[in-house]
Amino acid sequence: DSGVTQTPKHLITATGQRVTLRCSPRSGDLSVYWYQQSLDQGLQFLIQYYNGEERAKGNILERFSAQQFPDLHSELNLSSLELGDSALYFCASSVLPDSLNTEAFFGQGTRLTVV
Amino acid sequence: DQQVKQNSPSLSVQEGRISILNCDYTNSMFDYFLWYKKYPAEGPTFLISISSIKDKNEDGRFTVFLNKSAKHLSLHIVPSQPGDSAVYFCAASGAGSARQLTFGSGTQLTVLP
Repeated sequence: DSGVTQTPKHLITATGQRVTLRCSPRSGDLSVYWYQQSLDQGLQFLIQYYNGEERAKGNILERFSAQQFPDLHSELNLSSLELGDSALYFCASSVLPDSLNTEAFFGQGTRLTVV
Repeated sequence: DQQVKQNSPSLSVQEGRISILNCDYTNSMFDYFLWYKKYPAEGPTFLISISSIKDKNEDGRFTVFLNKSAKHLSLHIVPSQPGDSAVYFCAASGAGSARQLTFGSGTQLTVLP
């Protein structure tokens, strides 16, 4: 158990809908990262938050947004869903975003299926 | 543009033998490299890492080698065990990237009993 909790584990929704994925980081971790893993692909970095503030942005679509709350949990909002958004979405957390030798710990992921 | 590449999608090895997983990178700003292991229906689990000031890091059966001039790293597992069967991801981060990880596409390792 990595200590990172993601809910829900599975989500099936229709095209055009909006969903919210939730992540609770490890206790004490201030940095949260979101990654997307599509079929047979590596993990693509979407966005990072540190202590409530957006820290870095990767290949995140404009239809997607995220936030980190004062209690440090984070939510990833996906809207106007398309079939191609079907993927595994992972959240990871780490203590500090800028320190060398800091690995990120991953949750079990949310499998999103858009039908 | 794939900055971290794992060119072998799969690898099969006999139990007890050495497994060697390879990874190449293109971004010279990367200074920290990690290997993650992933079982089906689970998130990636950190395995071992190496900073760019070293060329080798060992942890039990796992050793990571870094060749900066070739922009290449490899993970050696000796001896390989059936429980090592998983997808292995190489990842890299750099000082200018707020430490988010750039992942390769993964290599499925199968250790045959």
